[in-house]
Parts: sequence; structure tokens; C-alpha cells
Amino acid sequence: SQQGEEDPQALSIQEGENATMNCSYKTSINNLQWYRQNSGRGLVHLILIRSNEREKHSGRLRVTLDTSKKSSSLLITASRAADTASYFCATDPGDSNYQLIWGAGTKLIIKP
Amino acid sequence: GAVVSQHPSRVICKSGTSVKIECRSLDFQATTMFWYRQFPKQSLMLMATSNEGSKATYEQGVEKDKFLINHASLTLSTLTVTSAHPEDSSFYICSARAGRHDYQETQYFGPGTRLLVL
Repeated sequence: SQQGEEDPQALSIQEGENATMNCSYKTSINNLQWYRQNSGRGLVHLILIRSNEREKHSGRLRVTLDTSKKSSSLLITASRAADTASYFCATDPGDSNYQLIWGAGTKLIIKP
Repeated sequence: GAVVSQHPSRVICKSGTSVKIECRSLDFQATTMFWYRQFPKQSLMLMATSNEGSKATYEQGVEKDKFLINHASLTLSTLTVTSAHPEDSSFYICSARAGRHDYQETQYFGPGTRLLVL
């Protein structure tokens, strides 16, 4: 199911700039995950942040989580052309159902 | 919106048996389908990408002889877990996209199949 919301729907920036994508969700969560999807490929997991965490880093990626606002952001610093892809957030409600609740995704285009 | 179904939603089988999971796009033609596996409290892991009429592309570490994927039509892909063992117990989810062009990149996910091997 897709119940999360992401914005912007599309983002086009110059190589070297930072890219920020936001994700909002509706239910309480156990964790929130960000995925990348290159054109024609399956989803690739990027980073997972748990509900008791506020910020997490992985290389050029920085994820924040605000459970009071039910929102998360993904920041990609010093963007590269290879970062061009669609980015999805997914939330884990933490119940017995293993399904993730997915956002609609943000299409990121990095212009060389 | 586009709907992807999976069948069965839940299956329990004995060790050594084979289990087939179907993934169907109900109201669109899916040129590409993806199969994922998810362990409890863990992230979705891409297993393979399946293009209609061609062999599936498996991710590193996924045994193609263990997880047989067939995408014989534009609306159906199947995943067969052969000689299932308890460690194969997991949640399997498929997704589908309508085409290979950028404007068709939206991926629609099935509800998943929970497999328990005893």
C-alpha cells in the first residue's frame, strides 16, 4: 500500500548541489527507510532510521526523523550525476504485518 | 490506480516441498516485475528483476536454481521456491511497472506472501 507522502514529486538540481527530499506519514512507526530506484531497476535500500533516532548518516546521505511531526527528510550532499534516480521512503508500522507503507517517491535529476 | 495482486497471501509448507507464488498486474501490462524478500523487522531486499519474455536478472547472493522466476506474460510473474527449508521462511513481495520508459517508472507493489516452512 502507498500511504506516505513525499515532496517534492520531482527535483532537478545542478551537480555538486545538495538535494533534500521530505517524507510524511500518518501512523506510528517502528522505523522509516529510504530506498533508491534507478530507472528500470528494483528498489535499493539506502538507510533505515528507527523511531528513537533523530538523525543518521551514511556517506553523503543524511536522514532526519521527527516523530512528533511524522516526517523525515533525506539529504544528499555534493550530488553527482549518478544520484539521478527516484527516491522512496517507506515506514514500518511495527505490527505483526511485515508490509511497509511506501511514499509515492521523489524523482531526482542531477544535471551535469 | 494500478493494482498488483499476489497469491497466496500466506502459505505453510513442509521442508523439502516447492512453493509457487504468483504476482499479477490486474489492470495494466507489466513489462517488468521485481521480487523482494523481507525478514522480520528488516529491510526489503531485492531478489531479482523479471522482464517479460526474458530470463530474470538475479541479485548477487540469490540462488537462481533455488528461486525460479518465470515472467511468461505481461500480467503474470511467478516465483517458485524449490525444496524449501525453514531458512526460506520470509515475506516475499513483488512489484510491477508498466513499461521501460521514464514516464512509466511508477512501481506498484503486491501485498506480499508470507511463507513459513516447517
